[in-house]
Amino acid sequence: DVVLTQTPPTLSATIGQSVSISCRSSQSLLHSNGNTYLHWLLQRPGQSPQLLIYLVSRLESGVPNRFSGSGSGTDFTLKISGVEAEDLGVYYCVQGTHAPMYTFGAGTKLELK
Amino acid sequence: QVKLLQSGAALVKPGASVKMSCKASGYTFTDYWVSWVKQSHGKSLEWIGEIYPNSGATNFNEKFKGKATLTVDKSTSTAYMELSRLTSEDSAIYYCTNQFAYWGQGTLVTVSS
Repeated sequence: DVVLTQTPPTLSATIGQSVSISCRSSQSLLHSNGNTYLHWLLQRPGQSPQLLIYLVSRLESGVPNRFSGSGSGTDFTLKISGVEAEDLGVYYCVQGTHAPMYTFGAGTKLELK
Repeated sequence: QVKLLQSGAALVKPGASVKMSCKASGYTFTDYWVSWVKQSHGKSLEWIGEIYPNSGATNFNEKFKGKATLTVDKSTSTAYMELSRLTSEDSAIYYCTNQFAYWGQGTLVTVSS
């Protein structure tokens, strides 16, 4: 199975600070059709996960543009340019390239410093 | 708008089974795979399996074969997951999701005598 390794496990930030989260895959996530099915989710405390970014860098509708995604192959990054209080929670990367076996990263908890 | 409404929390005894539901609205139910995801307390997300409502085709994480059964009722746009031979390891929140873009609110299952 594909293993997604997220770092760091915990991230402390002040409001307005820019932060990055890494997601590394044990196998390439480039699909034979040319797409890379790597997505980012945010789970706020007590809530269901929500989709932030899909296909590495495409912003889901309604998601603020301070969120951005980048990467290719096995290395991916989620960046938040100017953390806001509503951004606190746990971020997960998830891959669908090797569907139907989908796998999630262990999560990165973003908290206030 | 798309909504996935899940059934309420369940307290079940070890060895028993539990069946939970996920009622979809706001989109054509038969057109998209519905996945089920497990989240044990304070832990990451784990993909259980998926079902294609139009045909009833299913795919499973090997770990959950024999544990989870997925079905749908197209007449009510509802997906179901039944978990059998429950143990304390099955205590968790279970989510249904439409391709990770839309999520239900989760169903808490507690296995206890």
